[in-house]
Amino acid sequence: QVQLVQSGAEVRKPGASVRVSCKASGYTFSTYYINWVRQAPGQGLEWMGIINPSGGSTTYAQKFQGRVTMTRDTSTSTVYMELSGLTSEDTAVYYCARSRGADYWGQGTLVTVSS
Amino acid sequence: DFVMTQTPLFSPVTLGQPASISCRSSQSLVHSDGNTYLSWLQQRPGQPPRLLIYKISNRFSGVPDRFSGSGAGTDFTLKISRVEAEDVGVYYCMQATQPYTFGQGTKLEIK
Repeated sequence: QVQLVQSGAEVRKPGASVRVSCKASGYTFSTYYINWVRQAPGQGLEWMGIINPSGGSTTYAQKFQGRVTMTRDTSTSTVYMELSGLTSEDTAVYYCARSRGADYWGQGTLVTVSS
Repeated sequence: DFVMTQTPLFSPVTLGQPASISCRSSQSLVHSDGNTYLSWLQQRPGQPPRLLIYKISNRFSGVPDRFSGSGAGTDFTLKISRVEAEDVGVYYCMQATQPYTFGQGTKLEIK
Protein backbone atom coordinates (compact mmCIF):
# COMPACT_ATOMS: atom_id res chain seq x y z
CA GLN A 1 0.00 0.00 0.00
CA VAL A 2 1.08 3.58 -0.60
CA GLN A 3 2.89 5.09 2.38
CA LEU A 4 4.69 8.34 3.02
CA VAL A 5 6.73 8.18 6.21
CA GLN A 6 8.24 11.39 7.52
CA SER A 7 11.14 12.04 9.83
CA GLY A 8 10.65 12.87 13.49
CA ALA A 9 10.02 16.09 15.35
CA GLU A 10 12.68 18.79 15.33
CA VAL A 11 13.53 21.74 17.57
CA ARG A 12 15.56 24.62 16.18
CA LYS A 13 16.70 28.04 17.32
CA PRO A 14 15.76 31.16 15.37
CA GLY A 15 17.98 31.65 12.34
CA ALA A 16 18.74 27.95 11.97
CA SER A 17 17.70 25.56 9.21
CA VAL A 18 15.74 22.32 9.32
CA ARG A 19 15.49 19.41 6.91
CA VAL A 20 12.47 17.12 6.89
CA SER A 21 12.38 13.86 4.97
CA CYS A 22 9.51 11.95 3.39
CA LYS A 23 10.13 8.33 2.38
CA ALA A 24 7.74 6.88 -0.18
CA SER A 25 6.80 3.24 -0.63
CA GLY A 26 4.14 1.12 -2.28
CA TYR A 27 4.31 2.77 -5.70
CA THR A 28 6.77 3.84 -8.40
CA PHE A 29 8.50 6.82 -6.81
CA SER A 30 9.28 8.71 -10.00
CA THR A 31 5.71 8.80 -11.33
CA TYR A 32 4.07 11.11 -8.78
CA TYR A 33 4.93 14.63 -7.72
CA ILE A 34 5.31 15.34 -4.00
CA ASN A 35 3.92 18.46 -2.35
CA TRP A 36 4.95 20.03 0.93
CA VAL A 37 2.23 21.63 3.05
CA ARG A 38 2.48 23.11 6.51
CA GLN A 39 0.03 23.84 9.29
CA ALA A 40 0.78 26.26 12.11
CA PRO A 41 -0.79 25.46 15.51
CA GLY A 42 -4.56 25.89 15.30
CA GLN A 43 -4.35 27.22 11.76
CA GLY A 44 -5.20 26.06 8.25
CA LEU A 45 -3.13 24.43 5.54
CA GLU A 46 -0.45 26.31 3.60
CA TRP A 47 1.15 25.02 0.41
CA MET A 48 4.92 25.42 0.27
CA GLY A 49 5.95 23.84 -2.99
CA ILE A 50 6.18 20.75 -5.15
CA ILE A 51 8.92 18.51 -6.53
CA ASN A 52 8.94 16.17 -9.48
CA PRO A 53 10.84 13.08 -8.29
CA SER A 54 11.58 12.10 -11.86
CA GLY A 55 13.81 15.02 -12.85
CA GLY A 56 14.01 16.92 -9.58
CA SER A 57 12.33 20.06 -10.90
CA THR A 58 10.64 22.21 -8.29
CA THR A 59 8.05 24.96 -7.96
CA TYR A 60 7.95 26.94 -4.74
CA ALA A 61 5.26 29.19 -3.32
CA GLN A 62 6.35 32.79 -3.65
CA LYS A 63 6.26 33.23 0.12
CA PHE A 64 9.02 30.66 0.60
CA GLN A 65 11.23 31.35 -2.40
CA GLY A 66 14.81 31.87 -1.34
CA ARG A 67 14.24 30.03 1.94
CA VAL A 68 13.05 26.58 0.91
CA THR A 69 14.84 23.85 -1.02
CA MET A 70 13.21 20.59 -2.06
CA THR A 71 15.34 17.69 -3.24
CA ARG A 72 14.97 13.99 -3.81
CA ASP A 73 17.02 10.82 -3.62
CA THR A 74 15.72 8.28 -6.11
CA SER A 75 17.91 5.52 -4.66
CA THR A 76 15.94 5.63 -1.40
CA SER A 77 12.62 6.99 -2.73
CA THR A 78 12.92 9.92 -0.37
CA VAL A 79 12.17 13.61 -0.81
CA TYR A 80 13.55 16.33 1.42
CA MET A 81 12.36 19.79 2.35
CA GLU A 82 14.87 22.19 3.86
CA LEU A 83 13.76 25.52 5.29
CA SER A 84 16.33 28.11 6.33
CA GLY A 85 16.24 31.37 8.28
CA LEU A 86 13.73 29.94 10.75
CA THR A 87 11.62 32.21 12.94
CA SER A 88 8.96 31.43 15.51
CA GLU A 89 6.39 31.82 12.72
CA ASP A 90 7.78 28.67 11.11
CA THR A 91 6.65 26.57 14.07
CA ALA A 92 4.25 24.16 12.41
CA VAL A 93 3.51 20.60 11.39
CA TYR A 94 5.02 19.94 7.98
CA TYR A 95 3.36 17.39 5.70
CA CYS A 96 4.33 15.76 2.43
CA ALA A 97 1.48 14.78 0.12
CA ARG A 98 1.55 12.80 -3.10
CA SER A 99 0.41 13.99 -6.50
CA ARG A 100 -1.63 16.89 -7.82
CA GLY A 101 -4.68 15.68 -5.95
CA ALA A 102 -2.81 15.19 -2.64
CA ASP A 103 -4.13 11.65 -2.48
CA TYR A 104 -1.78 10.29 0.19
CA TRP A 105 -0.26 12.22 3.07
CA GLY A 106 2.62 11.67 5.44
CA GLN A 107 1.97 11.60 9.17
CA GLY A 108 3.41 15.07 9.65
CA THR A 109 6.58 16.41 11.29
CA LEU A 110 6.39 18.99 14.05
CA VAL A 111 9.06 21.65 13.74
CA THR A 112 9.38 23.93 16.76
CA VAL A 113 11.41 27.12 16.53
CA SER A 114 12.26 28.51 19.92
CA SER A 115 15.16 30.26 21.56
CA ASP B 1 -3.15 34.48 -6.84
CA PHE B 2 -6.14 32.19 -6.51
CA VAL B 3 -8.10 32.88 -3.33
CA MET B 4 -10.41 30.13 -2.07
CA THR B 5 -13.28 31.22 0.16
CA GLN B 6 -15.24 28.63 2.13
CA THR B 7 -18.63 29.06 3.75
CA PRO B 8 -19.64 28.47 6.45
CA LEU B 9 -16.51 28.40 8.61
CA PHE B 10 -18.40 26.59 11.34
CA SER B 11 -21.14 24.01 10.81
CA PRO B 12 -23.01 22.40 13.72
CA VAL B 13 -25.03 19.47 12.38
CA THR B 14 -27.42 16.95 13.92
CA LEU B 15 -26.46 13.30 13.49
CA GLY B 16 -28.20 11.81 10.46
CA GLN B 17 -28.87 15.20 8.92
CA PRO B 18 -27.21 16.56 5.75
CA ALA B 19 -24.38 19.07 5.66
CA SER B 20 -23.12 21.28 2.86
CA ILE B 21 -19.95 23.34 2.47
CA SER B 22 -19.33 25.84 -0.29
CA CYS B 23 -16.04 26.89 -1.81
CA ARG B 24 -15.63 29.81 -4.18
CA SER B 25 -12.49 30.58 -6.16
CA SER B 26 -11.41 34.08 -7.17
CA GLN B 27 -10.65 32.76 -10.66
CA SER B 28 -11.84 29.89 -12.83
CA LEU B 29 -10.19 26.60 -11.86
CA VAL B 30 -10.39 25.13 -15.36
CA HIS B 31 -6.85 24.15 -16.30
CA SER B 32 -5.47 24.45 -19.83
CA ASP B 33 -5.63 20.65 -20.03
CA GLY B 34 -9.41 20.82 -19.59
CA ASN B 35 -9.46 19.45 -16.05
CA THR B 36 -10.64 21.31 -12.96
CA TYR B 37 -8.32 20.49 -10.09
CA LEU B 38 -10.61 21.09 -7.14
CA SER B 39 -10.34 18.67 -4.23
CA TRP B 40 -11.93 18.32 -0.83
CA LEU B 41 -9.95 17.17 2.20
CA GLN B 42 -11.04 16.09 5.66
CA GLN B 43 -8.87 16.57 8.73
CA ARG B 44 -9.97 14.79 11.86
CA PRO B 45 -8.57 16.06 15.18
CA GLY B 46 -4.91 15.15 15.57
CA GLN B 47 -4.72 13.54 12.12
CA PRO B 48 -3.17 14.53 8.80
CA PRO B 49 -5.59 15.61 6.09
CA ARG B 50 -7.28 12.92 4.05
CA LEU B 51 -8.43 13.21 0.44
CA LEU B 52 -12.18 12.81 0.00
CA ILE B 53 -12.98 14.19 -3.46
CA TYR B 54 -10.76 15.07 -6.43
CA LYS B 55 -11.46 16.88 -9.70
CA ILE B 56 -14.73 18.30 -8.34
CA SER B 57 -16.78 15.12 -7.97
CA ASN B 58 -14.63 11.98 -7.91
CA ARG B 59 -14.67 10.11 -4.62
CA PHE B 60 -11.26 8.82 -3.57
CA SER B 61 -10.76 5.15 -2.75
CA GLY B 62 -12.50 4.10 0.46
CA VAL B 63 -14.53 7.28 0.86
CA PRO B 64 -18.15 6.58 1.83
CA ASP B 65 -20.76 7.43 -0.78
CA ARG B 66 -22.49 9.84 1.61
CA PHE B 67 -19.81 12.32 0.51
CA SER B 68 -20.34 14.01 -2.84
CA GLY B 69 -18.86 16.95 -4.69
CA SER B 70 -20.27 19.20 -7.37
CA GLY B 71 -19.73 22.51 -9.11
CA ALA B 72 -17.91 24.10 -11.99
CA GLY B 73 -15.73 27.08 -12.85
CA THR B 74 -15.49 29.03 -9.61
CA ASP B 75 -18.20 27.57 -7.38
CA PHE B 76 -18.04 24.19 -5.72
CA THR B 77 -19.90 22.28 -3.03
CA LEU B 78 -19.20 19.34 -0.75
CA LYS B 79 -22.27 17.55 0.57
CA ILE B 80 -22.62 14.93 3.26
CA SER B 81 -25.97 13.22 2.87
CA ARG B 82 -26.27 11.99 6.47
CA VAL B 83 -23.67 13.12 8.96
CA GLU B 84 -22.12 10.48 11.20
CA ALA B 85 -20.07 10.97 14.36
CA GLU B 86 -16.83 10.09 12.55
CA ASP B 87 -17.35 13.04 10.18
CA VAL B 88 -16.37 15.54 12.87
CA GLY B 89 -13.35 17.56 11.81
CA VAL B 90 -12.25 20.36 9.52
CA TYR B 91 -12.94 20.29 5.80
CA TYR B 92 -10.78 22.09 3.27
CA CYS B 93 -11.21 22.77 -0.40
CA MET B 94 -7.99 22.82 -2.37
CA GLN B 95 -7.27 24.04 -5.87
CA ALA B 96 -4.33 22.54 -7.77
CA THR B 97 -4.82 24.37 -11.03
CA GLN B 98 -2.36 27.23 -10.48
CA PRO B 99 -0.49 26.19 -8.42
CA TYR B 100 -2.11 25.26 -5.08
CA THR B 101 -4.30 27.11 -2.60
CA PHE B 102 -6.46 25.95 0.29
CA GLY B 103 -9.68 27.34 1.64
CA GLN B 104 -9.73 28.53 5.26
CA GLY B 105 -11.37 25.34 6.47
CA THR B 106 -14.88 24.56 7.75
CA LYS B 107 -15.20 23.04 11.18
CA LEU B 108 -18.00 20.47 11.32
CA GLU B 109 -19.26 19.41 14.70
CA ILE B 110 -22.25 17.53 16.04
CA LYS B 111 -25.00 19.55 17.72
